[in-house]
Amino acid sequence: DTAVSQTPKYLVTQMGNDKSIKCEQNLGHDTMYWYKQDSKKFLKIMFSYNNKELIINETVPNRFSPKSPDKAHLNLHINSLELGDSAVYFCASSQGTQETQYFGPGTRLLVL
Amino acid sequence: GESVGLHLPTLSVQEGDNSIINCAYSNSASDYFIWYKQESGKGPQFIIDIRSNMDKRQGQRVTVLLNKTVKHLSLQIAATQPGDSAVYFCAENMVPNSGNTPLVFGKGTRLSVIA
Repeated sequence: DTAVSQTPKYLVTQMGNDKSIKCEQNLGHDTMYWYKQDSKKFLKIMFSYNNKELIINETVPNRFSPKSPDKAHLNLHINSLELGDSAVYFCASSQGTQETQYFGPGTRLLVL
Repeated sequence: GESVGLHLPTLSVQEGDNSIINCAYSNSASDYFIWYKQESGKGPQFIIDIRSNMDKRQGQRVTVLLNKTVKHLSLQIAATQPGDSAVYFCAENMVPNSGNTPLVFGKGTRLSVIA
């Protein structure tokens, strides 16, 4: 019955690898987001999709590619992982772009 | 007390006391403000929100105050409990007709409750 879920919860990988993180929401929301939280707990938005369409793409390396197969899913694929990609990645969703966002539990990525 | 430095600002309070967490926001055009609570190992959780046409809003044990003149937001927690220990974030959003602007999060304040 989790509202926003992410998999995997933990991801440990080598530099240069390609990995994906999945996100699903069962709230019926039309907007989904990916955030990156660094070691200082600073939360920064990366991407936002509204009805499967990309609406926000902050300054993020093009090694990061979001994909939204439907309104309930927003996946994040990362190519050629770098040490600096280590962080906690949060997915969130909202009904509309100006409303309260609900967050998933996070994916802890560690690049070695 | 409260400390600010290179690390996350921390507020330590005795159990049962009231807590006040402050936030200065950056954009005078912001019209929607949210407080989130993030417990260790979890995602941010919505606590309370307020729109710019209000200066105070109350929830269960929490009150948000908005001072648009000085661009200041505060979260008051009454009778603080150990379960309130977490990092608290304020977030601001611009007026709806500005397009798809992202929610901007503040740096966060760690609340430590001393039993």
